Amino acid sequence: RKEVEQDPGPFNVPEGATVAFNCTYSNSASQSFFWYRQDCRKEPKLLMSVYSSGNEDGRFTAQLNRASQYISLLIRDSKLSDSATYLCVSGDSSYKLIFGSGTRLLVRP
Amino acid sequence: EPEVTQTPSHQVTQMGQEVILRCVPISNHLYFYWYRQILGQKVEFLVSFYNNEISEKSEIFDDQFSVERPDGSNFTLKIRSTKLEDSAMYFCASSGVNTEAFFGQGTRLTVV
Repeated sequence: RKEVEQDPGPFNVPEGATVAFNCTYSNSASQSFFWYRQDCRKEPKLLMSVYSSGNEDGRFTAQLNRASQYISLLIRDSKLSDSATYLCVSGDSSYKLIFGSGTRLLVRP
Repeated sequence: EPEVTQTPSHQVTQMGQEVILRCVPISNHLYFYWYRQILGQKVEFLVSFYNNEISEKSEIFDDQFSVERPDGSNFTLKIRSTKLEDSAMYFCASSGVNTEAFFGQGTRLTVV
């Protein structure tokens, strides 16, 4: 079983749409969780950390459910510039990051 | 804004040759990492480094790989005898205590 599992997509949505990505992780000892964004052939860039209480940053909302080992990301009012691959990431006590394979988002005009 | 910098951006090497990939982590960070991403695949952890020693390494990080922090600013990854399957994007990252990891722009290694 993959340590961090994501739907690869692509999700093809019109501008202005709301889109949700889900992710599951297998290691119950994982201590931290993140969403990173990766553009084609570029480095992963931190989008936001994910907390059990949920957190919001502008159009982006992330949620963690430890009981279900499930992480989500909601993007509201999609922009063309949101087109990228979204990486679900878990971290352990040694700060090592485990990446999912990513979910590709295409936002069309 | 502070950033992680990597050099070179692209390295082409012949199979069997040694390569050294260089990174300058963010200056007040304490944890340093190397990850790699084979084209079309996910980002994979190679090694973490803290307090001048390796704190964890993956199965990928075999005897052909080594890391070093030769001075107060640089963090290097050496591959002793490159193989075709070492071709990938190599990302350096750094983090502080209880802070998120930030990645460099990567070095694309092509082994021919």
